[in-house]
Amino acid sequence: EIVMTQSPATLSMSPGERATLSCRASQGVSSKLAWYQQKPGQAPRLLIYGASTRATGIPARFSGSGSGTEFALTISSLQSEDFAVYYCQQYNNWFALSFGGGTKVEIK
Amino acid sequence: QLQLQGSGPGLVYPSETLSLTCTVPGVSISRSSYYWGWIRQPPGKGPEWIGSISSSGSTYYKSSLKSRVIITVDTSKNQFSLKVNSVTAADTALYYCVRHDGTVIRGGIVDYWGQGTLVTVSS
Repeated sequence: EIVMTQSPATLSMSPGERATLSCRASQGVSSKLAWYQQKPGQAPRLLIYGASTRATGIPARFSGSGSGTEFALTISSLQSEDFAVYYCQQYNNWFALSFGGGTKVEIK
Repeated sequence: QLQLQGSGPGLVYPSETLSLTCTVPGVSISRSSYYWGWIRQPPGKGPEWIGSISSSGSTYYKSSLKSRVIITVDTSKNQFSLKVNSVTAADTALYYCVRHDGTVIRGGIVDYWGQGTLVTVSS
């Protein structure tokens, strides 16, 4: 199983600031990496796939980068609705999908 | 907008079988390019993929759960189901039914999630 490790566990930020979240895979996953956002009481929502392609309806302030084992999600200017938990997921081996433990972006 | 509606008991006794069903109204799940799966999320933790099934019945399971899990599909009812046997407290989680892509390039991208069903394993 490919293990996904996210850092930091919690990111304390102010609205308007730039946030960068990291995700590392235990082995190379090419660009088959997705990011999801989860708000309290809701299911995760797809933000990014293919490491850098925004899903339908996702604002341009969200961007993804990386390939192989190191990935990042950047939120260029945090809006109030962006404070949530973010998960990365590899699908390079999609018969054995795996998710990271999450990064919580909280209001400072 | 696709909807996935999970249902099943919220309480299961230890050593018994957890059974959940997901209904997909208004859309035929027979479309071959998609897989239908189950993902669970223990309280305060990240999601964990359990397994997936194609409309033709091909199944894939997480290796550590494979001996206890069965996923089936009933295309006539537009439903797919999950059974986990010999449950313990470690199986307590929010269980989501999901759809993910099944193509070579996009296979594994989860684009639709159900609302989640909280299952507690306790005596």
